[in-house]
Amino acid sequence: EIVLTQSPGTLSLSPGERATLSCRAGQSVSSYLAWYQLKPGQAPRLLIYGASSRATGIPDRFSGSGSGTDFTLTISRLEPEDFAVYFCQQYGTSPRTFGQGTKLEIK
Amino acid sequence: QVQLQQWGAGLLEPSETLSLTCAVYGGSFSGYYWSWIRQPPGKGLEWIGEIHHSGSTKTNPSLKSRVTISVDTSENQFSLKMYSVTAADTAVYYCARSRRATISYFDYWGQGALVTVSS
Repeated sequence: EIVLTQSPGTLSLSPGERATLSCRAGQSVSSYLAWYQLKPGQAPRLLIYGASSRATGIPDRFSGSGSGTDFTLTISRLEPEDFAVYFCQQYGTSPRTFGQGTKLEIK
Repeated sequence: QVQLQQWGAGLLEPSETLSLTCAVYGGSFSGYYWSWIRQPPGKGLEWIGEIHHSGSTKTNPSLKSRVTISVDTSENQFSLKMYSVTAADTAVYYCARSRRATISYFDYWGQGALVTVSS
């Protein structure tokens, strides 16, 4: 199965700053990569699919880029509600696999 | 608005059977694939398996021998049974929807249910 490695494990930033989260795949997944936001006690939220397409209702401060093995989720200006855990997921090869997550915390 | 609501026993002893159900509200049940995903404490997410409304299933090979996923189309529900659980099965379990089999992302999720396996 394809291993996804996310970095950093924890990212400490302030509201208004720019966040850059990385996801690296052990082998190419083409553009079959999604990003999710996870908050305690809530249903995970799909942010990005196809590496760069925003899901319905996702603000345009969230953007995704990359293809092959290297992907990035960028949050252009952090809002207080953006502090959460973010996971990447590949769906280019079965079984679908997820990264270990990046915790975005308030500095 | 699609909502997935899940429930099941939260505390199990080793060797027991984990049983969770997920109900789908506010959207079509047919035509989609319904998955179970889990997150052990401090670890990443793991896809467990999926079922189509027709009843066809696919399971993660790492869990295949211990997992059964079933569907009740009359109630728009699907269920997970995991047999012979151990402490390693302690996790938050999520149900989720995808538009395609096996190779797809998940566009709607349940809120998660913590299952603890402990003697």
